[in-house]
Order: sequence, then structure tokens, then C-alpha cells
Amino acid sequence: DAGVTQSPTHLIKTRGQQVTLRCSPKSGHDTVSWYQQALGQGPQFIFQYYEEEERQRGNFPDRFSGHQFPNYSSELNVNALLLGDSALYLCASSRAGGTSNQPQHFGDGTRLSIL
Amino acid sequence: GQNIDQPTEMTATEGAIVQINCTYQTSGFNGLFWYQQHAGEAPTFLSYNVLDGLEEKGRFSSFLSRSKGYSYLLLKELQMKDSASYLCAVRDRNDYKLSFGAGTTVTVRA
Repeated sequence: DAGVTQSPTHLIKTRGQQVTLRCSPKSGHDTVSWYQQALGQGPQFIFQYYEEEERQRGNFPDRFSGHQFPNYSSELNVNALLLGDSALYLCASSRAGGTSNQPQHFGDGTRLSIL
Repeated sequence: GQNIDQPTEMTATEGAIVQINCTYQTSGFNGLFWYQQHAGEAPTFLSYNVLDGLEEKGRFSSFLSRSKGYSYLLLKELQMKDSASYLCAVRDRNDYKLSFGAGTTVTVRA
């Protein structure tokens, strides 16, 4: 049973470019959340997708956008990249809406470096 | 929003016990999670508390006091593989996201 899978593992971009990160949730999960984790910090919530809609968003600018597909997989898009966007981007999936005690299961993340 | 505080670093000896404290402030508490994260890897779920008291899972236990806004994770019989960052995360009522503390780096020494 595959867990949460993310691609790519590592990515190097330059300022001003755009990037798309991908996530496939754990089997049986229907909800996908994205987090940004800076070095030495805890993950910061970007947004959550359920039933192909963004249903909660954290304090991130509109440059960060996403999508969820009918098979529950998800993409995170970041436009006009800044040096401060360099971080580990984590995808987490959960079951049945995600407000219960169902834990979120995390992928290994995409390490994004901006030059 | 939530303010979640946990110590930055802790060091302990193999075989010993370590207690990682977490304090939080939230407008409507709806659960506290502990995750373990090894360097370069995904956070993995350890425990969940929503009612006051102690939850035990093998060598790991987690305690919650909602009135004090306080939790701890207890790691017993420490092993070298327990060296990792431990993240405390809180879910607010009617909230979907998890709000994380900065994490506590535990180093286990022989």
C-alpha cells in the first residue's frame, strides 16, 4: 500500500520562474493539504483541497495556487518565485474530510531551491 | 491563530527517558498531534490526544491537559534511532489545518 508520494524530490529554479509540484495521496484518502517547511521550522499550512475545491487557505499570497484532480491527486503551483520560497514543500493526505481525529499522513516532500 | 511553544533542543542518553513539553493557545481546541521527523524525511504520526490524560503506545506516551493548554511526549528506553525532530501540532475547532510548533530536536547519545 503506497503512502503519500510527491514529485519531484528536488528542484532548482531561479527568481521569477514558475514551478509545479505534484502529490498522490495515500490509498483511501480524499483530502490533500500542502505545507511549507523552512529549515529548522515546523510546517506552515498553505491550503487544503477536498472534493476538488480549496476549502481552507493559510497566510500565503496568491502566487501560491493549487488544484485537485478527480483521482484525489493534487498540484501546487508557485508563480514569480522569490528567494524566500526556498523550502521543503510537504503534501499531507487524510481521510473523510479531515476534521476528525484522522491524522494527516505526509509525503517525503519536494526540496525547492531558488537561486 | 495558535501559539505553539516547544523547546528547541534536548539531549539524552541511550536507555534513558526524555519528556518533550508543548504549550499552546487556541480559540477552540480540537485535538493535538505529535509527529516524528528524521532529517530529510517526512513527518510520521506518533500520537493524538483530544481528551485530558495519558495515551500510551509502546515506548511513546503523550499527555494532554486542556485547561492548562499543555501536552508532553514521553520517550522511554531511548534508542539511537529516536534521534529526530518531534513536532507538536494543534487543530482548532472547525479548522482543517494543523498548526505546528517549530519542533524539538532530540539527540540520543551512547
